[in-house]
Amino acid sequence: GNSVTQMEGPVTLSEEAFLTINCTYTATGYPSLFWYVQYPGEGLQLLLKATKADDKGSNKGFEATYRKETTSFHLEKGSVQVSDSAVYFCALNLYGNTPLVFGKGTRLSVIA
Amino acid sequence: DAGITQSPRYKITETGRQVTLMCHQTWSHSYMFWYRQDLGHGLRLIYYSAAADITDKGEVPDGYVVSRSKTENFPLTLESATRSQTSVYFCASGRIAGPSTDTQYFGPGTRLTVL
Repeated sequence: GNSVTQMEGPVTLSEEAFLTINCTYTATGYPSLFWYVQYPGEGLQLLLKATKADDKGSNKGFEATYRKETTSFHLEKGSVQVSDSAVYFCALNLYGNTPLVFGKGTRLSVIA
Repeated sequence: DAGITQSPRYKITETGRQVTLMCHQTWSHSYMFWYRQDLGHGLRLIYYSAAADITDKGEVPDGYVVSRSKTENFPLTLESATRSQTSVYFCASGRIAGPSTDTQYFGPGTRLTVL
C-alpha cells in the first residue's frame, strides 16, 4: 500500500537555525508529494508540493525536492523563525484530488 | 469568502449518543473529505465524496455515516459514539477541474470528546 514516514518530533530549534524534516514514502505508481502545515488551533494548509521527480516545491522560505531514487521529500528551511512553530505533515496522493495519505506529523518549536 | 467551515468547533458527548459534525464549503468544490487526527497516527481518512450523492469509505470508516445531498455540505454522523472516537475531526474540500486540482483545503476542525 501507500505510506509516508516522517521523522518523529518534537523538534526544538533556536531562531535562525537550519531546519530539516525528513520524509520518505512508499507508493504504487507516481505520486504527487505535499507538505502541509498546521498552526496552533487551526486546520491544515498547503505549504508546498511537487508533482514529479526532481521537481522542487518552495514557499515562505521552505523547500523540498522530489527524489524518486531515494523516495524522499525532505523539508528544509535555511533560517527558521518563531512564527514557523507548527506541526508539519508530509503527504502523498496518486492523482488529482484523491485522498491524501499523511505521515504522523512533526511538531516544530522555534525559540527566540 | 467564508471558505470551509465546521460546526461545532468543540463537542462533548457521552458513549452511545448520536453526534453529527457539520461541514460546509462555499467554493462548490466537487471533492470533500473527512479525516480524523490522533496523536501518533497523523491524519486518517474516514470517508470522502467525489460529488453529491457519491461517497466512498476511507481507512477508518467503522462507526461513521456520511451523506452528501448537496455539493456544499458533507455531514459526518457518529451513530453511537464510543470513547475511541474521541479525536479532532477535519473536513477538507478540493476541485475536480481548473487550477490546483491536487490541493485540499481544510476546515478549522472539530474537537470531539466522548465520555
